[in-house]
Amino acid sequence: NAGVMQNPRHLVRRRGQEARLRCSPMKGHSHVYWYRQLPEEGLKFMVYLQKENIIDESGMPKERFSAEFPKEGPSILRIQQVVRGDSAAYFCASSEDRGYNSPLHFGNGTRLTVT
Amino acid sequence: AQSVAQPEDQVNVAEGNPLTVKCTYSVSGNPYLFWYVQYPNRGLQFLLKYITGDNLVKGSYGFEAEFNKSQTSFHLKKPSALVSDSALYFCAVRDPETTSGTYKYIFGTGTRLKVLA
Repeated sequence: NAGVMQNPRHLVRRRGQEARLRCSPMKGHSHVYWYRQLPEEGLKFMVYLQKENIIDESGMPKERFSAEFPKEGPSILRIQQVVRGDSAAYFCASSEDRGYNSPLHFGNGTRLTVT
Repeated sequence: AQSVAQPEDQVNVAEGNPLTVKCTYSVSGNPYLFWYVQYPNRGLQFLLKYITGDNLVKGSYGFEAEFNKSQTSFHLKKPSALVSDSALYFCAVRDPETTSGTYKYIFGTGTRLKVLA
């Protein structure tokens, strides 16, 4: 029973390049969340998606960041024209439904380093 | 606005002693509260949750948490700490924003627990 799979685990990009982070939720889960974690800080909510729909993107910067969760395939978090401040660990989580009773299941994260 | 606070950045405890990791919350309605643990270079793992019912909630790895409505707290506890419990612990509150139907998690800043042999 595979958990939430994120790839790559580590990603190095130069300033100005694009970063693509992938997340495959647990089997049967149709709700995906993306969080960003900076060193010694907590998790900051970025975006909440269901299949083919963005439900809540209030935590995502308005520029350069986008997310999708297509009908087929993984959820993608895309960061265009990366800057050093984008360096962080990005975690994806999934849940069975949107109900308040469902805990989140997290992947092991993608650590983005912008040089 | 909903929020959760973890007042201690780090907690040190000797192996075999009881441990407490503190969490307080602020919500407008009924709180849905969770504890997660993060080991180095890993994602968060669910430990336990409080939705309703008994104030003392039991979870994984021998952990439990006590919900206290009057003090708006949800402290994580364990009677006897193990060195392997050393990790980063996050308290979270789920935001039952019924108007939009979204249920966004809000995480605390985390407490690093160090259990000393």
